[in-house]
Amino acid sequence: QQQVKQSPQSLIVQKGGISIINCAYENTAFDYFPWYQQFPGKGPALLIAIRPDVSEKKEGRFTISFNKSAKQFSLHIMDSQPGDSATYFCAASSGDKLIFGTGTRLQVFP
Amino acid sequence: KAGVTQTPRYLIKTRGQQVTLSCSPISGHRSVSWYQQTPGQGLQFLFEYFSETQRNKGNFPGRFSGRQFSNSRSEMNVSTLELGDSALYLCASSFEPYQETQYFGPGTRLLVL
Repeated sequence: QQQVKQSPQSLIVQKGGISIINCAYENTAFDYFPWYQQFPGKGPALLIAIRPDVSEKKEGRFTISFNKSAKQFSLHIMDSQPGDSATYFCAASSGDKLIFGTGTRLQVFP
Repeated sequence: KAGVTQTPRYLIKTRGQQVTLSCSPISGHRSVSWYQQTPGQGLQFLFEYFSETQRNKGNFPGRFSGRQFSNSRSEMNVSTLELGDSALYLCASSFEPYQETQYFGPGTRLLVL
């Protein structure tokens, strides 16, 4: 019940395309859903986050879509760029720690 | 402001040995959390320290331990290393106990042979 399931494991997208990464959870006590971006040799960095009282949050080219009834949330990267090539982690929290998904390696080709 | 620093960055040990990793949080941050990152399991929470006290602990065996000093610097120790302990160990800091926005260090990559 504490798991966060993330898919796909890897994603290849052409420059300018849309990258979509999905996550699902079981624990209805989760009330904070962040996405982290990690470049090789670096620690994860917070990209964007959402709470269950909204269905969508957009920051620049990054959008989180949240479906509370389905217990799913997704990250959309519009106009994907080679500089977006990184590993993306979804996570969920109920106020005491972050539970992470297993990560998606995104490669954006020019 | 300097970010979270972790030392050493890379470490090679053999099975049965023990290892100590260090984390210095962002100046002013008093909470330090540790995570283990592996390709198969992703990021898994190890424990969190605040004001020199362990606040929270993940589902790891007792071989994994940690501590925090009065200057908020933290160390984690793994005793009797196993091959499966090979991983990237990340620490993250925040000002208060478990804040949703955590700042991660670059990690220590541990290889157990």
